[in-house]
Amino acid sequence: AQRVTQPEKLLSVFKGAPVELKCNYSYSGSPELFWYVQYSRQRLQLLLRHISRESIKGFTADLNKGETSFHLKKPFAQEEDSAMYYCAPRLFGNEKLTFGTGTRLTIIP
Amino acid sequence: GAVVSQHPSRVICKSGTSVKIECRSLDFQATTMFWYRQFPKQSLMLMATSNEGSKATYEQGVEKDKFLINHASLTLSTLTVTSAHPEDSSFYICSASRGGWNTEAFFGQGTRLTVV
Repeated sequence: AQRVTQPEKLLSVFKGAPVELKCNYSYSGSPELFWYVQYSRQRLQLLLRHISRESIKGFTADLNKGETSFHLKKPFAQEEDSAMYYCAPRLFGNEKLTFGTGTRLTIIP
Repeated sequence: GAVVSQHPSRVICKSGTSVKIECRSLDFQATTMFWYRQFPKQSLMLMATSNEGSKATYEQGVEKDKFLINHASLTLSTLTVTSAHPEDSSFYICSASRGGWNTEAFFGQGTRLTVV
């Protein structure tokens, strides 16, 4: 069965400290991985996708096929990073996304 | 950027009545739209995939007669909650994509349904 796990429901980090939001997946086949973010009172929006291999708002995520992980990282947290983050895999060739349970990140000033 | 708009953003209805929620792609044609349900402090649960001009594909456990989905045009999909009950109260979110495997999904702002 397709499954995605975000083990931390809540994560608090001091401003300027490094951030890592964990995501592990269990998928048959090779999925494409995404991170979506939802800021307070805003809609869900794409943060980054693994095939782009780019850094968005200072965040990066590396797909580790051996560990089936796609952890989201940022070296120095900023207050505006406080939001809800969802890891979402989908199979190549399929538009259907599966969302993890989400991690609420709070940056402490 | 691509914009997806949901209407209404909030609705309160009486138990037993039906409620229609609209999802529109404002500046692109969406061959596929998705409907999600989100319970408080929980993740998004996919309810169904809506393809323009064809029947929606429902996820396991989702009652198709309860949650009617229509995707009559490339810019509009509707979700009708029929004979609503308090347990149907939830946050409903739609997303739309241009289609194709390499496409991004754009999300609506969500609709808060409260059944009293």
